[in-house]
Amino acid sequence: NAGVTQTPKFQVLKTGQSMTLQCAQDMNHNSMYWYRQDPGMGLRLIYYSASEGTTDKGEVPNGYNVSRLNKREFSLRLESAAPSQTSVYFCASSEDRWAGRTDTQYFGPGTRLTVL
Amino acid sequence: TQLLEQSPQFLSIQEGENLTVYCNSSSVFSSLQWYRQEPGEGPVLLVTVVTGGEVKKLKRLTFQFGDARKDSSLHITAAQPGDTGLYLCAGTGAGSYQLTFGKGTKLSVIP
Repeated sequence: NAGVTQTPKFQVLKTGQSMTLQCAQDMNHNSMYWYRQDPGMGLRLIYYSASEGTTDKGEVPNGYNVSRLNKREFSLRLESAAPSQTSVYFCASSEDRWAGRTDTQYFGPGTRLTVL
Repeated sequence: TQLLEQSPQFLSIQEGENLTVYCNSSSVFSSLQWYRQEPGEGPVLLVTVVTGGEVKKLKRLTFQFGDARKDSSLHITAAQPGDTGLYLCAGTGAGSYQLTFGKGTKLSVIP
């Protein structure tokens, strides 16, 4: 039982390049999330998927796209990377997503992305 | 947008000392969570509190949810080097789907 896995662990891109961050969970969770973590800013939600086949914008979606490929996998794509997207990206999953209630979110180990 | 303010931002203490970390907001939260994050890893949930005035204990860690459900505190007794890490509070507002994170308190416990 690996929990939440993310690939790659580290990536360096040049401005304008594209890439996809991969995330998979083996806990049969319905909901999945992408966050970015910047020094002094905490964790900010980029996109989430409440269930297979649905995706919604979070707090900071500009410059990103997501795909919920199936129940297990949720990918994040940067179409044209910018230096402002240098960050640590975390994928998380939870059993469900309820209004006004917080299920435990399980986080992956993160992808450290640098855009030059 | 509901904001969570954590204080202090940084804390460096000697092994064996006690400490308290605070998480405050002007908004009411239906539930609040505390996570710990170690360097190079993702956050891991420590506790969820849902009732105003609730107190939960996890070994040497004591968590309290304010009566008005706008604030929370984390108290560590006799801190150990293994407690070193980034402590994050996160809350969900009534009727909201989004989990809002505070900016975190970075704790260093010196042996």
